[in-house]
Amino acid sequence: GDSVTQMEGPVTLSEEAFLTINCTYTATGYPSLFWYVQYPGEGLQLLLKATKADDKGSNKGFEATYRKETTSFHLEKGSVQVSDSAVYFCALFGAGSYQLTFGKGTKLSVIP
Amino acid sequence: DAGITQSPRHKVTETGTPVTLRCHQTENHRYMYWYRQDPGHGLRLIHYSYGVKDTDKGEVSDGYSVSRSKTEDFLLTLESATSSQTSVYFCAISEDVTQYFGPGTRLTVL
Repeated sequence: GDSVTQMEGPVTLSEEAFLTINCTYTATGYPSLFWYVQYPGEGLQLLLKATKADDKGSNKGFEATYRKETTSFHLEKGSVQVSDSAVYFCALFGAGSYQLTFGKGTKLSVIP
Repeated sequence: DAGITQSPRHKVTETGTPVTLRCHQTENHRYMYWYRQDPGHGLRLIHYSYGVKDTDKGEVSDGYSVSRSKTEDFLLTLESATSSQTSVYFCAISEDVTQYFGPGTRLTVL
C-alpha cells in the first residue's frame, strides 16, 4: 500500500538558518503530494502541494519539488523564522485512492 | 480558510458512555473525512463520506460509526467510549485530492 516516510524530529534551528525536511514515498501510479503544517493547538493547514512530476509547490517561502525518479518531496526554506516553529506533515493522495496517507510529522523549533 | 467547524472542541467522558462529535462545513464540498491524531502515528483515517448517506470505513474504524444526513454535517459516534479512543479528532473536507482540516476536538476518555 501507499506509505510516506519523513525525517524524524525534533529539528532545532537558529533563526535565518536553511531548512530541509526530507520526505519520500511509496505509491503506485502518480500520486498527488502535500505538505501540511500544524501550529500548537491548531488543526492542519495546507502549506503547499504538487500534483504531477517535476511540479514545484511553494508558499510563504517554503518550496518542495515532486521528484518521481527519487520518489521524494523534500520541504525547503532558505531562512526560517521563529514563527515557523510547528509540526510539518508530508502526505500523499494515491491514484485511485480515497484517502490521504500521512508521514508521522517532523517537529521544528526555531530559536532566536 | 475553509469553513469547517467542529463541536465540541474539548470533551471529557467516562468509559462506556456514548459520544458524538460533529463536523459542519459551509463549503458544500462533496467529501468529508474523520481522522484521529495520536503521538507517533500521525493522522489515521477513521471513516469518510462521498455524499449524503454514502459513507465507508477507513483504516481504524473499529468502535466508531458515522452518519451524514445533510451535505454540511458529518457526525462521528463512539457507541461505547474506551480509553484507547482518547485522541484528537480532526474533520476534513474536499472536492478533489486537496483536503482542508477543521480545528479538531480533543477527547479524553477516563
